[in-house]
Amino acid sequence: GAVVSQHPSRVICKSGTSVKIECRSLDFQATTMFWYRQFPKQSLMLMATSNEGSKATYEQGVEKDKFLINHASLTLSTLTVTSAHPEDSSFYICSARDGSRDIGSGEQYFGPGTRLTVT
Amino acid sequence: LAKTTQPISMDSYEGQEVNITCSHNNIATNDYITWYQQFPSQGPRFIIQGYKTKVTNEVASLFIPADRKSSTLSLPRVSLSDTAVYYCLTGNTGGFKTIFGAGTRLFVKA
Repeated sequence: GAVVSQHPSRVICKSGTSVKIECRSLDFQATTMFWYRQFPKQSLMLMATSNEGSKATYEQGVEKDKFLINHASLTLSTLTVTSAHPEDSSFYICSARDGSRDIGSGEQYFGPGTRLTVT
Repeated sequence: LAKTTQPISMDSYEGQEVNITCSHNNIATNDYITWYQQFPSQGPRFIIQGYKTKVTNEVASLFIPADRKSSTLSLPRVSLSDTAVYYCLTGNTGGFKTIFGAGTRLFVKA
């Protein structure tokens, strides 16, 4: 089946530093990837939609200058949290759609998530 | 985007069948219904997807009435390891993005 990986699985950084999270589709090409954030006991919140070769589309309330998204290839999207603060501590999850298998349903394959802790 | 409504939580016992119903009154004609399972500190995992009537796979069944305004995920003979949050989503490729509702927290007891 389609596999999506994320790296790192967990990261601790100091306030004010930047952190990059990678999302890779391992056995398929993903023209579209999505980035979510999830706080404890809450649902996933969509942050942005990442399209290969073009600018990401951010959801309302998500700062594009703080959460930089780059989808440089059909198998890799990165999320960079710039000048991180403790309130950015969260579980970040990416997902991807396999355009070759998509029957129009919009099914997504999710990565295992990245736990970010900002101290 | 169709908004989905699910019970916040459900309790069950091992070996029982669990049915989780999701309401999606404003589902679009070309929307599919997809259910995901999520364990703590993991990404959601695909369970089942359907468009209408009934779909069954090795882990679950999905029942969708003719009006498609709701759907029911059926988990046969649950075990302790089925304790998780279950999300019902509607959407399609053209609709592009997926919005998660609150999900249903299922707790399976011994």
